[in-house]
Amino acid sequence: NAGVTQTPKFRVLKTGQSMTLLCAQDMNHEYMYWYRQDPGMGLRLIHYSVGEGTTAKGEVPDGYNVSRLKKQNFLLGLESAAPSQTSVYFCASRMTLQGEQYFGPGTRLTVT
Amino acid sequence: GQQLNQSPQSMFIQEGEDVSMNCTSSSIFNTWLWYKQEPGEGPVLLIALYKAGELTSNGRLTAQFGITRKDSFLNISASIPSDVGIYFCAGQLMTGTASKLTFGTGTRLQVTL
Repeated sequence: NAGVTQTPKFRVLKTGQSMTLLCAQDMNHEYMYWYRQDPGMGLRLIHYSVGEGTTAKGEVPDGYNVSRLKKQNFLLGLESAAPSQTSVYFCASRMTLQGEQYFGPGTRLTVT
Repeated sequence: GQQLNQSPQSMFIQEGEDVSMNCTSSSIFNTWLWYKQEPGEGPVLLIALYKAGELTSNGRLTAQFGITRKDSFLNISASIPSDVGIYFCAGQLMTGTASKLTFGTGTRLQVTL
């Protein structure tokens, strides 16, 4: 039982490049979330999903897209990376709205 | 977007000392949560509080949900080296089909021997 996994762990992109971050959970959780964490700030919600095939915008969605084609996977895409997207990205999932959010180990992304 | 005010930003304490940190918000929450994050890892839930006034303990950790629903504190008693990390508060408000967490800015705790 791996919990929440994220790939890749590290990535360096040039400005304008695109990439996709993958989050996978094996707990059959309905709800999944993508956050970014920047120095001196708490985690901020980018996008979330309340079930397979659904997505919604969070607090800081601009420049990102997401897809939830399978219940266990939640993909975060950067269409055209910018230096302001340099951050650590965390995925989380939970079974119910009241349940605990379980976080993945994070992806450190640097955009030069 | 909203961020919670968490203080202190950092603490350097000696092993065995007690620690106290708190979080305040301009708006109310239904739930207060406290997380710990270690280097290279995601946050891990320590304590969840569901009712105003609630006081909950988990080992050496004690947290309270403020009466006004706009604040919470976390105490760690008799700190040990493995308490090192960043502690985040988070408030949760149920809204329709979503239940989003708003995180504090974190308290970095260093414990010296």
